[in-house]
Amino acid sequence: SYVLTQPPSASVAPGKTARITCGGNDIGSKSVHWYQQKPGQAPVLVIYLDSDRPSGIPERFSGSNSGNTATLTISRVEAGDEADYYCQVWNSNSDPSGVFGGGTKLTVL
Amino acid sequence: EVQLVESGGGLVKPGGSLRLSCATSGFIFSTYTMTWVRQAPGKGLEWVSSISSFSDYIYYADSVKGRFTISRDNAKNSLYLQMNSLRGEDTAQYYCARGPGTGYYDYWGQGTLVTVSS
Repeated sequence: SYVLTQPPSASVAPGKTARITCGGNDIGSKSVHWYQQKPGQAPVLVIYLDSDRPSGIPERFSGSNSGNTATLTISRVEAGDEADYYCQVWNSNSDPSGVFGGGTKLTVL
Repeated sequence: EVQLVESGGGLVKPGGSLRLSCATSGFIFSTYTMTWVRQAPGKGLEWVSSISSFSDYIYYADSVKGRFTISRDNAKNSLYLQMNSLRGEDTAQYYCARGPGTGYYDYWGQGTLVTVSS
C-alpha cells in the first residue's frame, strides 16, 4: 500500500512562513490535496490538485509537488492557522484507495 | 449551501452492527463520488470507503473490507455505511465527504461518533 509521511509537528512565529512536507514514493506523479483541521472541527480542504486553492482559502496558502515530496506553504502565518494539516492522494493501482498522511500539528509561537 | 449531515453513531458492543447515514443537500448528489473517512480519538484521518455517483465503482480500505458496506440512494440524496462485526479499533468519528471523482474531498459533514466497547 502507498504511504505518505509527514513530520508530526512544526512551529513558526507569526508573520513568518511555514512549510509542511509530505513524502511518498514518486508522489510528484500523483495529485496531492491538503486539509486543515482545527480541534473539534471537521477537516477543511485548503489545497487541491497540488496547488489549487478552493474559494475562500487565503492566497497565503500554496502548494507544490515534485519528485518524492509535496509541500504545503503558509505565508505570513497567523495565530488562526494553528491546526493539524493532512496531505492526501488517491492511489490508483490494482486496488485503488484513498491515502492520508499522518498529519502535522502546526504550532504558532 | 452544500450540507452533509451524518447520523446513526452510538455505542455498540464488539461484534455488533451499526448503520450510518449521511443526508445531503445543496448540490446534485447523483453527480458526485461520496466517501467515508474516520478518525480515531486523538489520531489522524483514515480513508474508509468511496462510492461513485451511480455505484458502479466501490472501494474499501483493507481494514474494513468484508465487514463494511457502502451504499447510496440518489433519489434520497443520501449515503450509507453498514458496519458489521465491529471491533474496538473501529471506534472513531466517522465523516462523510463529497468528492468530484476519486480525488479530493471538498465538503465534509461534522461527523458521527461510533464507540465499540463492551
